Parts: sequence; C-alpha cells; structure tokens
Amino acid sequence: ILNVEQSPQSLHVQEGDSTNFTCSFPSSNFYALHWYRWETAKSPEALFVMTLNGDEKKKGRISATLNTKEGYSYLYIKGSQPEDSATYLCAFPGGSYIPTFGRGTSLIVHP
Amino acid sequence: EPEVTQTPSHQVTQMGQEVILRCVPISNHLYFYWYRQILGQKVEFLVSFYNNEISEKSEIFDDQFSVERPDGSNFTLKIRSTKLEDSAMYFCASHTRRAEAFFGQGTRLTVV
Repeated sequence: ILNVEQSPQSLHVQEGDSTNFTCSFPSSNFYALHWYRWETAKSPEALFVMTLNGDEKKKGRISATLNTKEGYSYLYIKGSQPEDSATYLCAFPGGSYIPTFGRGTSLIVHP
Repeated sequence: EPEVTQTPSHQVTQMGQEVILRCVPISNHLYFYWYRQILGQKVEFLVSFYNNEISEKSEIFDDQFSVERPDGSNFTLKIRSTKLEDSAMYFCASHTRRAEAFFGQGTRLTVV
C-alpha cells in the first residue's frame, strides 16, 4: 500500500488570503502526481498532472510545484475566494497506474 | 466533453440484498476503477479493471463484490449481500495509460 499523506487535513481562511498545502508520496518509482479538486456534491475533477521534478503548473490563481527527489508537492491558492472552497486531493499512481489518493485537504474560504 | 456517467445517483437497499451499480466510462479509456468514500473518511480504492479482467483489488473487495464489463461500454459493480458498512459513495473512474482519472458523479448507496 502506497503512503500518500496530505496536510493539513482542513484549513479555514478569509477571502483574499493566500494559502498552501502539502502532499507527500513515495519518492521511488515516480512517474506522476495528480491533483484533484472535489467540490461538495460533485465528483473529483483533475487540476494538474505533474510528471517532472521541479515542475510548476498554474491554472488561474491555483498553482502546484513538484519535488520528486524528496517526495512532496505543494498546492498554492493566491487570493482565495469562497468558490475555492473544496477538498483538494492528491493521487500518486504507482507502478500499476492505479491512483492512490491522499485523505485530502478540506479548504473553507470565509467571505 | 466526454464524461463518466453513473447510475443510479442514489440507491437505498435492505441489508442482505444485492445491488448493482452502473458506470459508463469514457469510450477510449483503457483502465477502469471503482472507489468508495465512507462519510468523513478518505477515498478508498476497491478494484481496477484492464483488458477485460481485474488487474488489482484491495482487501475491501472481498467475495461479496464483483465487477463486469458485459458489453464493452458498461462497467458494473455488484455487491451480492449488502451490509450496513457498505453504505458509502461509490465512484467509478477511468483513464488512459498515464493520464489523470475522470470520475463519475458517484452513487450514494444507503444500506438500511
């Protein structure tokens, strides 16, 4: 069983704050790390697929970085808005391509 | 935009009854999965399916569970004799070889 950990488990921020959270994963046999956004009453939706050490990907106010040597990825949200409230999941597909999910970070942005 | 569809959206069943959860993955995808999420807990892997057979299954996926791809499009999860602890959201997902997974909207299963 692959160990994929996310922290913090939950986060409350005020509208306009910038925030970040972490996903850690096994550093051996790496080929990709996925970030998903999961809004309440919807299904998880892919944000980023990260494959190269040092990768930085951006979508609007959300960005992610990847360090495969030490086995972590950060997700950043700049100027959080209430609509950013969701659970953010990372997933690490192992050698058999099966994504193992972290527990998620629940983000609540207060207006 | 192609999407993974699941039916029904909500299923209530009596303990001990059989249920079948249905999924239509994206047509050119090769890998298919069932995951579940018990309320307040993490997303758990149940089973993966590739090339018309189970490729991996978790310890949760015991003899009460089975999967089929009966007609090349549908992908079903059957629970033979449901237990209270099977109550969860069940998500179907599919992907191509190295890409991200696409999830269905989920089926909320309530066992009473």
